[in-house]
This record gives sequence, C-alpha cells and structure tokens, in this order.
Amino acid sequence: DQQVKQNSPSLSVQEGRISILNCDYTNSMFDYFLWYKKYPAEGPTFLISISSIKDKNEDGRFTVFLNKSAKHLSLHIVPSQPGDSAVYFCAASGDSGNTGKLIFGQGTTLQVKP
Amino acid sequence: DTGVSQDPRHKITKRGQNVTFRCDPISEHNRLYWYRQTLGQGPEFLTYFQNEAQLEKSRLLSDRFSAERPKGSFSTLEIQRTEQGDSAMYLCASSFGEAGAIYGYTFGSGTRLTVV
Repeated sequence: DQQVKQNSPSLSVQEGRISILNCDYTNSMFDYFLWYKKYPAEGPTFLISISSIKDKNEDGRFTVFLNKSAKHLSLHIVPSQPGDSAVYFCAASGDSGNTGKLIFGQGTTLQVKP
Repeated sequence: DTGVSQDPRHKITKRGQNVTFRCDPISEHNRLYWYRQTLGQGPEFLTYFQNEAQLEKSRLLSDRFSAERPKGSFSTLEIQRTEQGDSAMYLCASSFGEAGAIYGYTFGSGTRLTVV
C-alpha cells in the first residue's frame, strides 16, 4: 500500500517558468513532509520540508504548499533553471513514533529546457 | 567532514554469493539508516540504528539480510545468498536524533548492486 504517491513520472518546463511537482498521501498521522532532489549516481539531497501544522514554507526559489484536507502537497520552483533537472521525491514522516523513518513517493523526473 | 561515505559504489555479484556494504556516517550523527531503491521507485526503509542499537527492521529485510553498527560508528549491510531481486541501489543516511525526519537526513551516494 503506497502511502505517499507522486502520480506524474515526469515533467518538462521551459527555463524561467514555474515547475510544480505534486504529491498525495493517505496517512493523516504524518507530521512532516520533505522534498528531496536526486541527480544520477548521487544520493538524494534534502531540499525543503514543511510541518503538518503549516500550509506553506518558502526557501529561495522553492516553496512547498500543504493542503491537509486534500492530503496533498506541492513543490513550486520559480524560476526554473536547467540545473534543477533531476528526480524529485516527496517523503513523509511521523507515523511511527520517533524512528525518523521516511516514507518516499516514487519520484518525478523534472527536465528544465534552456 | 566529508558527509556520508558508502563503499563500494558498484558491486556486481553472481547469484548465491554473499556481499557486504559499508557506510561511514557523519561523525556526530547518532542515527544511521539503510534504504533500498529500485528502478522507478523511491527509497524504501530497511533498518535504522541509534548509536550501536538496531531499533527497527522493515519486513523487506529478510533473514538473508543483516546489518550491524559496532561501536555506533560505521555500519555494514550484508546480504547472504544473493538473488536477482536484490539488485538495487542501497542507500545509507545519517542524522542527529529525529532531526532527519524534520530537516532531512544526509544520504550517501549509494552502492549499486547487480546480481547476475
């Protein structure tokens, strides 16, 4: 049972435009939601997170929005740059006490065209 | 600090052989996690340590898998009698306490295992 889902395997946007990556979850017990970026042959790199008590968190070009009623979060990248081309994973934590375990989605491959 | 190191980066082995991977976490991090990632999927939790104690193991971790973290420093993940289904990227991550679940773990670059 996939508790965190990224239903779009890929996304292509033009440089300078907005990239919107989406993620849905099923478990209302999750406390935190995180986004990671992964380049080929490298491990995932943490980007940004949001607490379940907030609806928005911003860090530079990256903003994460959380809609708890819809169990949906999204990552906005503005403006998109070619170096943002990577696989993006959303992840959730907090449903299993204090283990710190993360549940990841399947990932969305973002391509930013120059 | 050079981050989380994993060795080897790549491993090709014949079915039925045993393999062992090593992870060196960030030195001040007391938590160490192992994840497995297969093609087209996100990382899946395998197990984690707090210091030298292994506190949780996933159902994915069959009895052919064993992980250790002696002295709470580096960790090893051993797979005995490898099967083709074990082919995956094995990722190690570390954090200080539960902070990783809030502010993100630091992942290593992974060990890619291919079982032929």
